[in-house]
Amino acid sequence: EAQVTQNPRYLITVTGKKLTVTCSQNMNHEYMSWYRQDPGLGLRQIYYSMNVEVTDKGDVPEGYKVSRKEKRNFPLILESPSPNQTSLYFCASRNLGMTGEQYFGPGTRLTVT
Amino acid sequence: RKEVEQDPGPFNVPEGATVAFNCTYSNSASQSFFWYRQDCRKEPKLLMSVYSSGNEDGRFTAQLNRASQYISLLIRDSKLSDSATYLCVVNGDTGKLIFGQGTTLQVKP
Repeated sequence: EAQVTQNPRYLITVTGKKLTVTCSQNMNHEYMSWYRQDPGLGLRQIYYSMNVEVTDKGDVPEGYKVSRKEKRNFPLILESPSPNQTSLYFCASRNLGMTGEQYFGPGTRLTVT
Repeated sequence: RKEVEQDPGPFNVPEGATVAFNCTYSNSASQSFFWYRQDCRKEPKLLMSVYSSGNEDGRFTAQLNRASQYISLLIRDSKLSDSATYLCVVNGDTGKLIFGQGTTLQVKP
């Protein structure tokens, strides 16, 4: 089954404690990205990657890091989480090109206290 | 001005009604347009792509107006299961997809 998986699905943590949210896709997609979704602000792109070892900032990259060592995986790293990073996070993947459907993971609900 | 703008709603309609959503975009160079559906707290999923000639999928019809830079989604004979948030999506520079904030639809019995 074609899918994007994310883990964990729910996470409550404290300020400053490093965390990683994993993302994996099994569709051999070149393009992967991370979004956060907040009420009234919609989906905002954090980082994206067009291929292995190629990553770039999206609209709201501050406080986040990513890596793309393998085509299927695109982890999101919060080195020192803060309460303003409390949000719903989605990983997504698609083929390069403008007409491809983008597939989303099920989401990770993060709360930073 | 936002790159993709939608009326957030909510649109409250009775079952069987016809409802239409519009979305405007700012980048005249955009080439790809989509409607995604998002159920509460779940991931967005592609509903339909929007082609220049317009396209229809069952009760759903999407239209593109390049001159006025807007796309529309028409839902006929609304069902309770159509209740969701509908996201307008447009491709931006470098192939990035830009999402509108979404329009919430509530279909009432």
